[in-house]
Amino acid sequence: TQLLEQSPQFLSIQEGENLTVYCNSSSVFSSLQWYRQEPGEGPVLLVTVVTGGEVKKLKRLTFQFGDARKDSSLHITAAQPGDTGLYLCAGAGTASKLTFGTGTRLQVTL
Amino acid sequence: GAVVSQHPSWVICKSGTSVKIECRSLDFQATTMFWYRQFPKQSLMLMATSNEGSKATYEQGVEKDKFLINHASLTLSTLTVTSAHPEDSSFYICSASPPDRGNTEAFFGQGTRLTVV
Repeated sequence: TQLLEQSPQFLSIQEGENLTVYCNSSSVFSSLQWYRQEPGEGPVLLVTVVTGGEVKKLKRLTFQFGDARKDSSLHITAAQPGDTGLYLCAGAGTASKLTFGTGTRLQVTL
Repeated sequence: GAVVSQHPSWVICKSGTSVKIECRSLDFQATTMFWYRQFPKQSLMLMATSNEGSKATYEQGVEKDKFLINHASLTLSTLTVTSAHPEDSSFYICSASPPDRGNTEAFFGQGTRLTVV
């Protein structure tokens, strides 16, 4: 069974702070996605990384895929209350199945 | 982006009754859809893969007779929770991937919160 461990599980920070969320696995994935989910809604895709070592930026969010395609990180610069939510990484495996990480709940306060 | 619509958004039912949840891909055809279950403050757990025109593939530990999946068209999959009990109360979410996204970028429905009383 492929497992994706995210850390930290929960993070509470003040507006303007920076943070990094990690997604680690012992398995290799063909691609890895990051999602954000708000309470009572489905996850929304933020980014997909495919190539080992790849870095993608989405405004204040920077995503990196590990060289061995087993891990990834999400860095948020100058966090805002609107960034609050559950962040999920997901690795793509066989038959289009996604394996979701354990999740990181982020709370950004004023 | 691709749109996946789920209905209903929430439902309350009595123990012993059955509930049907619909998942539709609105602007693309999906031969495969996925059904997840999510407990409060936890991640998504894959329940089954819905295959258009054939039987669904269930993950280990998921009762296929309890959670009936039908994928009768390229834009609709349904999940029926049969003889529901309070422990079936949860947030159920479906997803699908447009073929031109390499079938690896998933788009999710809004989710259905099921409460069994």
